[in-house]
Amino acid sequence: DQQVKQNSPSLSVQEGRISILNCDYTNSMFDYFLWYKKYPAEGPTFLISISSIKDKNEDGRFTVFLNKSAKHLSLHIVPSQPGDSAVYFCAAKGSGGSNYKLTFGKGTLLTVNP
Amino acid sequence: DAGVTQSPTHLIKTRGQQVTLRCSPKSGHDTVSWYQQALGQGPQFIFQYYEEEERQRGNFPDRFSGHQFPNYSSELNVNALLLGDSALYLCASSLWTGGRMTEAFFGQGTRLTVV
Repeated sequence: DQQVKQNSPSLSVQEGRISILNCDYTNSMFDYFLWYKKYPAEGPTFLISISSIKDKNEDGRFTVFLNKSAKHLSLHIVPSQPGDSAVYFCAAKGSGGSNYKLTFGKGTLLTVNP
Repeated sequence: DAGVTQSPTHLIKTRGQQVTLRCSPKSGHDTVSWYQQALGQGPQFIFQYYEEEERQRGNFPDRFSGHQFPNYSSELNVNALLLGDSALYLCASSLWTGGRMTEAFFGQGTRLTVV
């Protein structure tokens, strides 16, 4: 049972345009959400996070939106740059006894074309 | 400031053998988690170590075991290797503070191939 789902395996956008990566979750106990970026032959790099008490968090070109009622979050990258081309993982962390682990989606490969 | 370092970066083992992977956490971090990432999948949580004890375990068999040392570094051991154990093994470190963990920083991973 996959509790964090990234239904788009890949996404291609033009440089300068907006990239929108989506993520859905099923576990209502998740209260903290993170996005990681991964280049080939490297480990995942933390990008941005959001607590369930917020619906938006912004950091430079990156904004994460959380819709708790829909159990959906999205990552917006504006403007997209060729260096943003990577695999993006959505991850979730639960409260209480399940607070220790991150549950990841399968990732979305973003390609930003010059 | 050194980030999370893992060794070795690549490893080839034969089915049935045993393997040990090593991880040094980011300076100042006291918690180490291990993840397995199979091809085309997201990282899957194996277990987490804090204060030299396994604090939580994912859905992995007992063939997977670990250890955390007083300096917070950690080892992942896998016994009786199966072909299906071939994957990228990621170590993540974080700091446990105020009842929560800070964001996890990942190492570059160890690519294990079982033949």
